[in-house]
Amino acid sequence: AQTVTQSQPEMSVQEAETVTLSCTYDTSENNYYLFWYKQPPSRQMILVIRQEAYKQQNATENRFSVNFQKAAKSFSLKISDSQLGDTAMYFCAFMKHAGGGADGLTFGKGTHLIIQP
Amino acid sequence: DTAVSQTPKYLVTQMGNDKSIKCEQNLGHDTMYWYKQDSKKFLKIMFSYNNKELIINETVPNRFSPKSPDKAHLNLHINSLELGDSAVYFCASRQGTANYGYTFGSGTRLTVV
Repeated sequence: AQTVTQSQPEMSVQEAETVTLSCTYDTSENNYYLFWYKQPPSRQMILVIRQEAYKQQNATENRFSVNFQKAAKSFSLKISDSQLGDTAMYFCAFMKHAGGGADGLTFGKGTHLIIQP
Repeated sequence: DTAVSQTPKYLVTQMGNDKSIKCEQNLGHDTMYWYKQDSKKFLKIMFSYNNKELIINETVPNRFSPKSPDKAHLNLHINSLELGDSAVYFCASRQGTANYGYTFGSGTRLTVV
């Protein structure tokens, strides 16, 4: 079974600063996917960024980027030039390579990120 | 156009009642899921359906039963509701490879009183 650990229950930064959310995971799988989801107060789950384990290059989506360290089983999210709208719960999630079946996401417990004006 | 829609968004009911939550996706995805988010915001998978076949059942009480009339729908029926069932329930769907991630519905907040 897989486990995902987010060690920061809550973080608070000033607007325009850069913030990094940490995530570590444990798995015996070699092929898998990692995700960061954002859940604002509206409770909608929004995909922020995804990473395939077989790709060494770190994924980037505008102000969001990851630092994927496969050997260390670490998958941190960096948010640059943070904005008030980034205030939300952020969940790190793991999924095994489906291989034709159907596998669900294993989530961490989340980090509540607060962007201060 | 809502990709994954759930109804109702809020549901308040008494202990012992039976209730259903409906989910529909218009994305043509192969697999649909139900997740439960507890009061501490922890998300855990409950079920998935792939081509109307149950693939995962993560030690969920048998009071919970997913029902999929077709590939676009996965409803969640709950019998004999208990206080501990109070949570937010999310429907989600996924197409083939996980490269595109999951698409989630907006959630149903269930409160059992």
